This record gives sequence, C-alpha cells and structure tokens, in this order.
Amino acid sequence: AQTVTQSQPEMSVQEAETVTLSCTYDTSESDYYLFWYKQPPSRQMILVIRQEAYKQQNATENRFSVNFQKAAKSFSLKISDSQLGDAAMYFCAYRRVRSSNYKLTFGKGTLLTVNP
Amino acid sequence: GAVVSQHPSRVICKSGTSVKIECRSLDFQATTMFWYRQFPKQSLMLMATSNEGSKATYEQGVEKDKFLINHASLTLSTLTVTSAHPEDSSFYICSASRGTGGTYEQYFGPGTRLTVT
Repeated sequence: AQTVTQSQPEMSVQEAETVTLSCTYDTSESDYYLFWYKQPPSRQMILVIRQEAYKQQNATENRFSVNFQKAAKSFSLKISDSQLGDAAMYFCAYRRVRSSNYKLTFGKGTLLTVNP
Repeated sequence: GAVVSQHPSRVICKSGTSVKIECRSLDFQATTMFWYRQFPKQSLMLMATSNEGSKATYEQGVEKDKFLINHASLTLSTLTVTSAHPEDSSFYICSASRGTGGTYEQYFGPGTRLTVT
C-alpha cells in the first residue's frame, strides 16, 4: 500500500522568507502523480502544485516549487517570498495513474505559520 | 471552471436522526465523486468512492449502512448519515472528477460541518 509521510507537524516562516516543507512516500509504482494541497482556515482544499512522476523537471507555480527526487521518493515544497496568506495546513498527496484504485493518499499535513 | 459545491455548509442534528449532505459539480459532469471525513487538525480520510449510476465503493472500516452514498446523476452525489450519533460529528468533504482514471483532477467542495447533539 502507498504511504505518504510528512515529518514536520508544524513549521513557521517570517514573511518574505523562504520555507521548505518535506514529504516522502512509498510506492512500487513507476508512474504516479504527487500533489501539494493547501487547506486554509476556511478548510477549502486548494491544489497548489502537481508533479507527474515520469517528468524529471520539477514543477513550479509562481512562488511555489517542488524538489522531486524519484529515487529517494522525496517530494518537498518550497515557498518563496512567503506571504501572510500562505498560512495554512499543507498536505502532500499521492495518486496512482494506471490502476482502478486512483484515490488520493494524503500525508498527515504540516501546519505553516507565517510571522509578520 | 471546475467548481464543486456542498450543501449545507453547517448542520446540527439530534442524536438518532438522519442528515443528508449534497455535493454538486456546478460546471462539469462528474463521473466520479469521493467523500472524505476530516477530524480537527487531522488529515482527510477517504470514506468512499462513487461512480455515477453504480454502487459506492467503501473504504475498509466505513459502515456502508450508516453512511449511505447515492450518485444518481453526473452532477450530484449525496451522503446520508443515518441514525447519527455524537461520534459522527466531523467535517465532511466531497471531491469530484471528470473521469474514472488516475489522470483526472479531483476538485474539492468547501466541506460540511456536522454536529450531532
């Protein structure tokens, strides 16, 4: 079974600084998707970034970028120029591609605090 | 595009009664919908996956007779919590996907907070 581990229950960052959230996963699949979701206090899940495992290039979305290390099964999220609105719970998630079981498997989350 | 709504956003019900939560895809046809449960400060736990016109597939440990899921159309899925008890109090989130494969994105609803008194 696939597992996703987020080893940092809480992180904090100063406004305008950079922070990196860690995620590791376990799978025997070669093709899959990895995601970072943001859940602000409103509790609406928001997709931050998606990485396809067969792509070696790390995904980026404006201030958000990932460091995808397939061999190490590591998928960290870097937030640059942190803003107060980035404060939220961040979930790393995994999803298989070629399978009838394509549900999202979530990590336990990292609560990010942004200090002014 | 890809907006998912849930109704109600909050509901309070008495122990022993049933409550229905609706999940709608507003601007796309959702072949597949997912229902999650989230306890405070915890991750999302998948309860069941439903495909339009088929019976839902429940995750291990989820009582299908207690959490009834109906996916009668391509834009609507409902979760009915039957004979609710205080331990059923939780935040319930649905998501919807255009297709049945792993390449299709899941779009999340805003969630429903259920309180059973």
